[in-house]
Amino acid sequence: AQTVTQSQPEMSVQEAETVTLSCTYDTSESDYYLFWYKQPPSRQMILVIRQEAYKQQNATENRFSVNFQKAAKSFSLKISDSQLGDAAMYFCAYATRWYNDMRFGAGTRLTVKP
Amino acid sequence: EAGVAQSPRYKIIEKRQSVAFWCNPISGHATLYWYQQILGQGPKLLIQFQNNGVVDDSQLPKDRFSAERLKGVDSTLKIQPAKLEDSAVYLCASSLDLRTGELFFGEGSRLTVL
Repeated sequence: AQTVTQSQPEMSVQEAETVTLSCTYDTSESDYYLFWYKQPPSRQMILVIRQEAYKQQNATENRFSVNFQKAAKSFSLKISDSQLGDAAMYFCAYATRWYNDMRFGAGTRLTVKP
Repeated sequence: EAGVAQSPRYKIIEKRQSVAFWCNPISGHATLYWYQQILGQGPKLLIQFQNNGVVDDSQLPKDRFSAERLKGVDSTLKIQPAKLEDSAVYLCASSLDLRTGELFFGEGSRLTVL
């Protein structure tokens, strides 16, 4: 079974600085998707960034980028120039390409200090 | 474009009572998911529909939980009878189809079982 592990329950970062959130996963599949979702307090979960496993190039979305290490089954999220609005729970997720059975990690709570 | 709609947003019931949650996905989205998110944990998939057929319900406690998606649009998740450990946020999500790899979430329905 696919599992997703986020080993950092909480992280904090100073505004305008950079922070990296870690995620590892376990799968026997060769083709799959990886995601980072953001869940602000009392608000809906939104997609931050997506990586397709067959693509070697790391995905980037503005201030958000990932470091995808397929062999190590590692998928970290880097947030550059952190802003107060980045404070939220961040969930790493995995989905198989064909069945879209998305599995989530336990989450990392990110605090941004002014 | 309207997002995923869920109701009610909050529900408090006593154990052994029943409750139902409703979800209206984004128009045209064939795939619909129900997730259970217990406080401090990542979402756990309960059931996944493709149109009005069940793709995966392996983690649905079928002795007390049921879900349906009549006509392949709206969906209802029912719990009967509720237990204390069912206290959680129930998230509905939809995606265009099984293979797009991007889920859009509703704001969730928070259930408290006393």
